[in-house]
Amino acid sequence: DAGVTQSPTHLIKTRGQHVTLRCSPISGHKSVSWYQQVLGQGPQFIFQYYEKEERGRGNFPDRFSARQFPNYSSELNVNALLLGDSALYLCASSPSPTGISGNTIYFGEGSWLTVV
Amino acid sequence: GEDVEQSLFLSVREGDSSVINCTYTDSSSTYLYWYKQEPGAGLQLLTYIFSNMDMKQDQRLTVLLNKKDKHLSLRIADTQTGDSAIYFCAESPDGSGNTGKLIFGQGTTLQVKP
Repeated sequence: DAGVTQSPTHLIKTRGQHVTLRCSPISGHKSVSWYQQVLGQGPQFIFQYYEKEERGRGNFPDRFSARQFPNYSSELNVNALLLGDSALYLCASSPSPTGISGNTIYFGEGSWLTVV
Repeated sequence: GEDVEQSLFLSVREGDSSVINCTYTDSSSTYLYWYKQEPGAGLQLLTYIFSNMDMKQDQRLTVLLNKKDKHLSLRIADTQTGDSAIYFCAESPDGSGNTGKLIFGQGTTLQVKP
């Protein structure tokens, strides 16, 4: 079975531009979360979506937005890019939005975004 | 508040045991996780422990949880050079049980010397 897949794997954008990152969860998983990992730090929670609804939001500006589609795939959008947005963006999927019953959260390989 | 702390670096010799420590602040955390990240890669789930357990063993990995002290450790027996990576401790705070939010530490870099 395929794991969590993300695209693109690497991209370079200019300050002020917009970027869209995509994620396909593991088959059967309905919950998708997005994390930002700046070099040398641990991942920071951005959003969580379940059944196409936002279920949680981290401490990120409104320039960050996301959505989930009927097939449970998801997009993360970032507007007006800043140099500080350069990071690895990780997508995670799980069967449900909670940690109940020991369900676990699986991460994709990430999308490396460089803003110049 | 929610915070997870780890030591930044650990160096061991191949064949020795490695112990990576983590402290967390949210006493209502339901699950605690250990993830491994190799250079340039995403996060690989190693193991997790439910908050009502004290210990969990999975092959070379042993997780110990001291809920009173909010301390979590990961022991890797017979450490191999392939275990060299960054290890992240993460908690799933009960208060965010409906959001799937994980709080990560800053990661411990494990260096295994031949």
